[in-house]
Amino acid sequence: DQQVKQNSPSLSVQEGRISILNCDYTNSMFDYFLWYKKYPAEGPTFLISISSIKDKNEDGRFTVFLNKSAKHLSLHIVPSQPGDSAVYFCAATRSTGGGNKLTFGTGTQLKVEL
Amino acid sequence: DTGVSQNPRHKITKRGQNVTFRCDPISEHNRLYWYRQTLGQGPEFLTYFQNEAQLEKSRLLSDRFSAERPKGSFSTLEIQRTEQGDSAMYLCASSRSDTIYFGEGSWLTVV
Repeated sequence: DQQVKQNSPSLSVQEGRISILNCDYTNSMFDYFLWYKKYPAEGPTFLISISSIKDKNEDGRFTVFLNKSAKHLSLHIVPSQPGDSAVYFCAATRSTGGGNKLTFGTGTQLKVEL
Repeated sequence: DTGVSQNPRHKITKRGQNVTFRCDPISEHNRLYWYRQTLGQGPEFLTYFQNEAQLEKSRLLSDRFSAERPKGSFSTLEIQRTEQGDSAMYLCASSRSDTIYFGEGSWLTVV
């Protein structure tokens, strides 16, 4: 049972434009969500997170939006840069009682083209 | 660098041999996690420690796998009698709060 889903395996965007990566979850107990970026042969790097008490969190070029009723979150990258090309993973957890154990999606490969 | 440190970064072993990976978490992080990632998948939770106590183990962690964190600092993950299906990247992570930070991973190839 895939509790966190990233339905787009890949996304291609032109440099300077907006990248929107989507993520859906099914477990209503999840209350904290994170996005990680991963280059080949490296571990995931934390990008940005959001608690379920918020619907938006912004950090520089990265903004995460959370729609709890739809169990959907998205990561916006504006403007996109070639160095953003990587695999992006959405992850979810229960912040209390769950030990912060993360459940990951399968990732979206972002390619930012010149 | 005060990030999560893992070694070895790469290990090639023959089927049936034992391997051990070490993880040094970020200093003062009381939680330590092991994940496994295979090609095309997201990382999958294996086990986690709060200080020296192992609080949860995934059903993915068969009897051939054992993890320890003897003094609540570094941790080891041992795989006994390796099988080809164990080939994966083994990721260690640590946290003190809600955000979990990952190391660069240890690649295992079983031939």
